[in-house]
Amino acid sequence: SQTIHQWPATLVQPVGSPLSLECTVEGTSNPNLYWYRQAAGRGLQLLFYSVGIGQISSEVPQNLSASRPQDRQFILSSKKLLLSDSGFYLCAWSVQQDTQYFGPGTRLTVL
Amino acid sequence: QKEVEQDPGPLSVPEGAIVSLNCTYSNSAFQYFMWYRQYSRKGPELLMYTYSSGNKEDGRFTAQVDKSSKYISLFIRDSQPSDSATYLCAMDQGNQFYFGTGTSLTVIP
Repeated sequence: SQTIHQWPATLVQPVGSPLSLECTVEGTSNPNLYWYRQAAGRGLQLLFYSVGIGQISSEVPQNLSASRPQDRQFILSSKKLLLSDSGFYLCAWSVQQDTQYFGPGTRLTVL
Repeated sequence: QKEVEQDPGPLSVPEGAIVSLNCTYSNSAFQYFMWYRQYSRKGPELLMYTYSSGNKEDGRFTAQVDKSSKYISLFIRDSQPSDSATYLCAMDQGNQFYFGTGTSLTVIP
């Protein structure tokens, strides 16, 4: 069966510090991978998606970036965090159009 | 206009009630329709997905799609306190998925 991991689960970082969130998927090959941010009381905002290694599409201009160094690994990064980067970050995968599966999420607080 | 509209609630019902959650959408190209349940501080969990218009049942849950009206629903029968969560509808077009903002549901024992 397929599983998706995200770490860390929670993170508190000062403004201006770097960020690296990691997501890995097990049990499937060549998945589409996604990063979303969910702010309190708001919907899911798609940040990046990837259809293959090294292929990244950005949906929202911001100080975040994403990379996919391996087929089942997706990394979200920032060189300098802003207060507005606080939120709940979710990684998701899909291999078919009909379904998308989410990881447990990382709660980021920028102080 | 948002691609997907969903009433945020909150919705509060007594245990055992039938719950109806709804979404409307504007893009007739959407092909697949999903419902997710999200508990506080957790990732969304896929409950059901469907492709065609009509009903799909899974235990106490029924997903209904009306493509002609661009309207989807999730019905929960015999609601339980464990059903208390935020419910998100989602739709797909190609490699991208579009989500409603979620409806917060509380089932009171």
